[in-house]
Amino acid sequence: KAGVTQTPRYLIKTRGQQVTLSCSPISGHRSVSWYQQTPGQGLQFLFEYFSETQRNKGNFPGRFSGRQFSNSRSEMNVSTLELGDSALYLCASSLHQRGGYNIGDEQFFGPGTRLTVL
Amino acid sequence: AQTVTQSQPEMSVQEAETVTLSCTYDTSESDYYLFWYKQPPSRQMILVIRQEAYKQQNATENRFSVNFQKAAKSFSLKISDSQLGDAAMYFCAYRNGMDSNYQLIWGAGTKLIIKP
Repeated sequence: KAGVTQTPRYLIKTRGQQVTLSCSPISGHRSVSWYQQTPGQGLQFLFEYFSETQRNKGNFPGRFSGRQFSNSRSEMNVSTLELGDSALYLCASSLHQRGGYNIGDEQFFGPGTRLTVL
Repeated sequence: AQTVTQSQPEMSVQEAETVTLSCTYDTSESDYYLFWYKQPPSRQMILVIRQEAYKQQNATENRFSVNFQKAAKSFSLKISDSQLGDAAMYFCAYRNGMDSNYQLIWGAGTKLIIKP
């Protein structure tokens, strides 16, 4: 089974631009979460999507948005880029089986998209 | 709000020896999960081991084991017989037990160096 894939792997943008990152979860996985990883702030939760609905959102400004499609693929968008948005953006997918914790609740991570804002 | 603290920015160990990475957390929840993730240089984050808060028995996965002290809110990772491939950043993470909340709260990470 293919793992979580993220495209593009590397991206360079300038301040003020916008960017869209894509995440394809493991086949059959319904939950997709996004995290931002920076040397200064560490790993921070952005949002989580399940069945095309945003279920949870972290403490990020409205410039950060996302969506999930019917095939569970997810995109995140950052508008009006700032220098501080330079980071590794990680996507994680989970099967999300109901009824307690089980193997389905493990989050599998993609390789990340390295965004550099100049 | 829940927090996760890893007080060791960097640890080093001789190959084949044992090392323990520390993690403490703060929560008012009674139902939650704890994880250790490994992030090798330029490689993907992978799950090392997980612990359900309602389980008293410490989780074990081959050379990896945890010491879960619920009352002390401590969750340390022990790596036995360290191997060169264990070199990585190790992150401790917390998730509450709600079925509808998959948010992971992370510690700052510990860089593990393996000396040959």
